[in-house]
Amino acid sequence: GQSLEQPSEVTAVEGAIVQINCTYQTSGFYGLSWYQQHDGGAPTFLSYNALDGLEETGRFSSFLSRSDSYGYLLLQELQMKDSASYFCAVSRPGAAGNKLTFGGGTRVLVKP
Amino acid sequence: NAGVTQTPKFQVLKTGQSMTLQCAQDMNHEYMSWYRQDPGMGLRLIHYSVGAGITDQGEVPNGYNVSRSTTEDFPLRLLSAAPSQTSVYFCASSYSGTYNSPLHFGNGTRLTVT
Repeated sequence: GQSLEQPSEVTAVEGAIVQINCTYQTSGFYGLSWYQQHDGGAPTFLSYNALDGLEETGRFSSFLSRSDSYGYLLLQELQMKDSASYFCAVSRPGAAGNKLTFGGGTRVLVKP
Repeated sequence: NAGVTQTPKFQVLKTGQSMTLQCAQDMNHEYMSWYRQDPGMGLRLIHYSVGAGITDQGEVPNGYNVSRSTTEDFPLRLLSAAPSQTSVYFCASSYSGTYNSPLHFGNGTRLTVT
């Protein structure tokens, strides 16, 4: 089966840096995605890694190590609006296209 | 540009009732999918499709049916509602189902089964 592990909650202050780790076990692997979801809202796409290394998008960066089945999302210069849940998701091949399996999510609370 | 539109936003059903959750996208996306999200948990894939007439089961397909007769629409049918199906349902689409492309989510349908 597929499984993804990420911490359930992280608390940090404004301006700090937060790293959210994600380890996964999967049969078949195309890449690792990250999504943000504010309370009561829909998930929105943040980043995707198919190859090993770091992808940077503004204040957010994502890293993947395929050999370690591990990735992380780095949130820099935290702002109050970054308080949300963050989900990692593994893409793998399916009979009707990609299948995405999501982790349980990490709730990030940013304090003043 | 409406993106992904889900209807209804809220629904209450009695056990045993059937209903269809609607999902439409106007981005000419090839790939569409349905997820359920239970409180404090991640999203679990119910069914997905890479084009008209092509669907497959996800992690939790039991009790749900789908069909894809057009590129734009991907309805999810609950055959006989059960309290365990109380959840928030999200429809999502992406440009490609075989290469990575970001999922675009609808605003969700909050379903309660009593």
